[in-house]
Amino acid sequence: EAVLTQSPAILSLSPGERATLSCRASQSLSTNVAWYQQKPGQSPRLLIYDASNRASDIPARFSGSGSGTDFTLTINSLEPEDFAVYYCQQRTIWPPTFGQGTKVEVK
Amino acid sequence: QVQLHQWGAGLLKPSETLSLTCTVYGGSFTENYWSWIRQPPGKGLEWIGEISHRGSPNYNPSLKSRVSISVDAFTHRSPFTHQFSLKLRSVTAADTAVYYCASLWVGGNWFDPWGQGTLVTVSS
Repeated sequence: EAVLTQSPAILSLSPGERATLSCRASQSLSTNVAWYQQKPGQSPRLLIYDASNRASDIPARFSGSGSGTDFTLTINSLEPEDFAVYYCQQRTIWPPTFGQGTKVEVK
Repeated sequence: QVQLHQWGAGLLKPSETLSLTCTVYGGSFTENYWSWIRQPPGKGLEWIGEISHRGSPNYNPSLKSRVSISVDAFTHRSPFTHQFSLKLRSVTAADTAVYYCASLWVGGNWFDPWGQGTLVTVSS
């Protein structure tokens, strides 16, 4: 099983600032990592797939990068609706696993 | 464009069987894997298992002894509506979670879209 470790657990920022979220894998995943956003009471929403591709209707301020074992989700200029929990996910190593999440909260 | 709508019992007693169904609207039923994922209150996401349109399932080893996922290709409502179901036997309080169905395109490794989620509480 591939363990995904996300850091930090909580990121306190102000609107307009840049958020940088990390996801580190216990085994190499090539670029097969996805990122999701989850707001309270809602289902996760796909943001990024294959490490760096934005999903449909995702704003350009969201970007992903990385390969192998280190992946990053960057949110440029945080909007009020971006404060949420973010998860990374892999399906290269069986079974599919998720990181424990990073909460982006208002400072 | 795939849309998922799920339903099932939300309150169970220990040792009972959890049963949830997810209806698939639109898209291609044959070009996706159909998955179940759960999230205990305040915690992260756990993949439970998936099934192909042919009915071949794959399960998380941590739950394999208790879980089964099946597919119903057609419903009586429409030939273009499909369903797949989750059963989890011998539930305990540790199985209390929001359960999501989700779609995964056979050529990819990401889940999109997700169902609306069903909170299942196990309590005596």
